[in-house]
Amino acid sequence: KAGVTQTPRYLIKTRGQQVTLSCSPISGHRSVSWYQQTPGQGLQFLFEYFSETQRNKGNFPGRFSGRQFSNSRSEMNVSTLELGDSALYLCASRRQGNEKLFFGSGTQLSVL
Amino acid sequence: GESVGLHLPTLSVQEGDNSIINCAYSNSASDYFIWYKQESGKGPQFIIDIRSNMDKRQGQRVTVLLNKTVKHLSLQIAATQPGDSAVYFCAENPTDKLIFGTGTRLQVFP
Repeated sequence: KAGVTQTPRYLIKTRGQQVTLSCSPISGHRSVSWYQQTPGQGLQFLFEYFSETQRNKGNFPGRFSGRQFSNSRSEMNVSTLELGDSALYLCASRRQGNEKLFFGSGTQLSVL
Repeated sequence: GESVGLHLPTLSVQEGDNSIINCAYSNSASDYFIWYKQESGKGPQFIIDIRSNMDKRQGQRVTVLLNKTVKHLSLQIAATQPGDSAVYFCAENPTDKLIFGTGTRLQVFP
């Protein structure tokens, strides 16, 4: 069974631009979560989607948004990029809540 | 934020020794706990989990201990190997979202 797949692996953007990251969960997993990882803040929860509905949301500004499609694939979007948005963005999936998450390798976003 | 990043503590152990990585969790309502291992350039990888109705669980070379009284979790790695070098995170599940600790870097030297 294939693991969680994230694309692209690396991304370089400039301030003010927007970016869309993609995540394909493990087959059969209906829950997709997104995390931001930085050296200074560790792993911070962004949001979780389950069956196309946002179920949980972290403490991030509205510039960070996401969605989930009927095939459970998910995208997250960051608009009006800031230098501080440079981070590793991790996607994780699980069958349902209160189970372990399986992570992808992440998308490394650099904002210049 | 929910996961406050500080200076990453480091544990240095000699190959073949046992390692113990500790974690203090914050929410008394948490009933599910997970340990993850993250190697450079990769996403976190599941190691072992434990639910609050247990105080110990063993896997292959790893043991997780849970002390709910003092809200403490530990990961024991037996016969530590160079391949165990990584950052280790504990995570708690007070609601449906996982909240991660700051992580501990494990360095294994020969």
